[in-house]
Amino acid sequence: EAGVAQSPRYKIIEKRQSVAFWCNPISGHATLYWYQQILGQGPKLLIQFQNNGVVDDSQLPKDRFSAERLKGVDSTLKIQPAKLEDSAVYLCASSLTGDTQYFGPGTRLTVL
Amino acid sequence: GDSVTQMEGPVTLSEEAFLTINCTYTATGYPSLFWYVQYPGEGLQLLLKATKADDKGSNKGFEATYRKETTSFHLEKGSVQVSDSAVYFCALSDFGNEKLTFGTGTRLTIIP
Repeated sequence: EAGVAQSPRYKIIEKRQSVAFWCNPISGHATLYWYQQILGQGPKLLIQFQNNGVVDDSQLPKDRFSAERLKGVDSTLKIQPAKLEDSAVYLCASSLTGDTQYFGPGTRLTVL
Repeated sequence: GDSVTQMEGPVTLSEEAFLTINCTYTATGYPSLFWYVQYPGEGLQLLLKATKADDKGSNKGFEATYRKETTSFHLEKGSVQVSDSAVYFCALSDFGNEKLTFGTGTRLTIIP
């Protein structure tokens, strides 16, 4: 069974630029999550989707971050404009509803 | 709100030593508890979980017991190997809420 796919694996941008990350969850998983993992900290949930609807986006900085999950499968997370403090690993996870979350390899973002 | 407190790292042990990584939690409801492991360059992988008090999760020689009276979920292994070198995260999800709340992680290094 294929795992959660993410791209790109690494991205370096300058502050005030925009960036987008892509996630393809495990086939059949209705729930998709985006987490932000700052160096030395545990992952923090940014947004949770159930199919293509948002369940929880309370920790998403909506002035600069946006996410969508069209057709309830793939998802993109966008940052515009990026700040230095957005440097982190962005993790995507998916699950069957109410079950174990499976994580992708992450995208490491460096903002200069 | 929910929170997880993990033993500060990094932890360095010799091969075949006994391992304990402490984890305590605060939650308003009846959480499920998890240990995730992150090997270098890889995404988070579920190591073990427990969903109710006194449950013991186990996998790959690692064990953790859900202790409601002490709000703890300490990770143990009787004899560590070099291949166990990784970052270990304790996490919880509260009943009825799939969101994972993570601790800050403990970096474990095993030397031959």
